[in-house]
Amino acid sequence: QKEVEQDPGPLSVPEGAIVSLNCTYSNSAFQYFMWYRQYSRKGPELLMYTYSSGNKEDGRFTAQVDKSSKYISLFIRDSQPSDSATYLCAMIGLQGGSEKLVFGKGTKLTVNP
Amino acid sequence: DTGVSQDPRHKITKRGQNVTFRCDPISEHNRLYWYRQTLGQGPEFLTYFQNEAQLEKSRLLSDRFSAERPKGSFSTLEIQRTEQGDSAMYLCASSGNETGELFFGEGSRLTVL
Repeated sequence: QKEVEQDPGPLSVPEGAIVSLNCTYSNSAFQYFMWYRQYSRKGPELLMYTYSSGNKEDGRFTAQVDKSSKYISLFIRDSQPSDSATYLCAMIGLQGGSEKLVFGKGTKLTVNP
Repeated sequence: DTGVSQDPRHKITKRGQNVTFRCDPISEHNRLYWYRQTLGQGPEFLTYFQNEAQLEKSRLLSDRFSAERPKGSFSTLEIQRTEQGDSAMYLCASSGNETGELFFGEGSRLTVL
C-alpha cells in the first residue's frame, strides 16, 4: 500500500460546479497537509496548507483534514476554467527527523466553460 | 523574479552521457529539495539539504546520481551514465521551515534518447 493514495481522475466538470478532491493516507505520523496545484509543464504551487485535523478556507477553496479517518479533501466552489490543472495532495510528518514531503499521484481536473 | 529558478529547462541527451542540473533557491531559504516527476505521477523525493548539509537521500538516488549544495546557496544535481529510465522532470524546491511549505521551480525536463 502506498503511503498516500489519490484518485488520478481525470475529472471533468462544468464551470460553476463544486469540485471535491480527496486523498487517503496510511502513515499516522503525518501532521501537516498540503494541496498543490500544477499546471501542465510547470512546477507545483502551494495552494492550501493545514496542520492536523480541521478545516481551512481561502476564497473559493476549502481544505479539510480528518486524521481519525486518515482522509483529506479539497473543495473548490464556483469552479472556473482557470482551475483546470492537476491537484496534488502532499503531507509530511516530522518524526524521526525526516523532512520528506510525500505526494499523491495527482488528480487532473478540467473545468469546461 | 525572486522565486526558485532551474536551469536548463529542457535537456535532451543520449544514453550514457552525463547531465547536470542547477537550482537557485529563494535566497532566504535554508532548505533545498530535489524531486523527480514522471508523467501521470506525483513528485517523488530524491534528496534534501539544510544549508550545505545533505540530510536525507531516497533509495531512488542511485550511485549514478549526486547532488551538492556548496556554501548552502545554489545546488546541482548530476546524473552520470544516463539511462532511458532517467527521463523525467527534475524539480527543485526550497523552504524556510520544516513543515512542508515548499516553493517549487519550473523544473528541468530530461529526455534520454
